[in-house]
Amino acid sequence: GIQVEQSPPDLILQEGANSTLRCNFSDSVNNLQWFHQNPWGQLINLFYIPSGTKQNGRLSATTVATERYSLLYISSSQTTDSGVYFCAVGYTGTASKLTFGTGTRLQVTL
Amino acid sequence: AAGVIQSPRHLIKEKRETATLKCYPIPRHDTVYWYQQGPGQDPQFLISFYEKMQSDKGSIPDRFSAQQFSDYHSELNMSSLELGDSALYFCASSPSRGPFYEQYFGPGTRLTVT
Repeated sequence: GIQVEQSPPDLILQEGANSTLRCNFSDSVNNLQWFHQNPWGQLINLFYIPSGTKQNGRLSATTVATERYSLLYISSSQTTDSGVYFCAVGYTGTASKLTFGTGTRLQVTL
Repeated sequence: AAGVIQSPRHLIKEKRETATLKCYPIPRHDTVYWYQQGPGQDPQFLISFYEKMQSDKGSIPDRFSAQQFSDYHSELNMSSLELGDSALYFCASSPSRGPFYEQYFGPGTRLTVT
């Protein structure tokens, strides 16, 4: 099956800093989503981005499908950004399921 | 905007008991997915339904069964519970089947088996 790798696995930032999270995948995909899992366990949809670039406030994402990677940018980080960030991919070979990466655990400190 | 609803949000069961988790998709979404997330792990796909028929199946134990009803809500039934079934169970919905549709996740049900 498809492999999804995320880096870095852990990241500690001071409030106000910027960061870039990376997601590499081993095959062509038709769906790529970024999620934030908050400390209470909820999975929050951030972006649906199988290709191209999107921005939502302090967050933006870019997927380069031909090179099989996606980047999530967090600017001016806040303590509420803490949690685990997952990318997940889907492709026609698996009908509809999402395969998740192992996540990046982000801690934003004061 | 309406979101995916899951109930209950927390559930505590003893070994060998049964549990039923419910999922109410976003209105006009006809596809439902179930995922299991063990402690410290990433979510793993269990099963999906499209128009009330099973669409895709992942590593779902034989002790688990699921279905989608005429109003598109779905239930995950878990029998002979084991300690290893303790996990977060997410339901997601999308407007239709296939990888070209965004999946929207519910808040999850935290199942603890003692």
